[in-house]
Amino acid sequence: GAVVSQHPSWVICKSGTSVKIECRSLDFQATTMFWYRQFPKQSLMLMATSNEGSKATYEQGVEKDKFLINHASLTLSTLTVTSAHPEDSSFYICSARGTRRDEQYFGPGTRLTVT
Amino acid sequence: GEDVEQSLFLSVREGDSSVINCTYTDSSSTYLYWYKQEPGAGLQLLTYIFSNMDMKQDQRLTVLLNKKDKHLSLRIADTQTGDSAIYFCAESPAGTDKLIFGTGTRLQVFP
Repeated sequence: GAVVSQHPSWVICKSGTSVKIECRSLDFQATTMFWYRQFPKQSLMLMATSNEGSKATYEQGVEKDKFLINHASLTLSTLTVTSAHPEDSSFYICSARGTRRDEQYFGPGTRLTVT
Repeated sequence: GEDVEQSLFLSVREGDSSVINCTYTDSSSTYLYWYKQEPGAGLQLLTYIFSNMDMKQDQRLTVLLNKKDKHLSLRIADTQTGDSAIYFCAESPAGTDKLIFGTGTRLQVFP
């Protein structure tokens, strides 16, 4: 299957700082990328959908000014958690979809801990 | 609503079959998926089924879909210890690119 990478795999930051997480599709062009967060022992919750070259669509309850998403190219999307707080600590997972709607490939996730 | 429900936990003996069940609510969903997540890792797509199918088999995996009851199941034949993980079902409502995930079932395989 297709490969999606995330960087970093884990990050620890202090409250009030910003953290950027990258999501890359390594062997295909991703027209659409998705960002999820997962709390311990819980399911994945979709945060936003991003299409290359356009603004992201955020799910209800997700603060767009806090979670900045940029999908600048067909292989790269970034999620920036601005002014991070301890409650933002979570596992963030991206996924990417190519031209086939029935296939969505997930990255390995980024564990964010805010102290 | 968009609630997808699964039983939380399943324990099976190595070599037995495992059946993981999922109930979804959006009858418009065109695709239904099964993903596997190992500890601290992302999701691995196992298989998916199109909504006009009743069954799909892929090696040790068999997916059954009962569209009338909005019930999806994943059967793993000859379950191995390496199958221990959390399994998520997901639906993709028609007209959207979104995946709505179930609550996840933790499968534990013991020798």
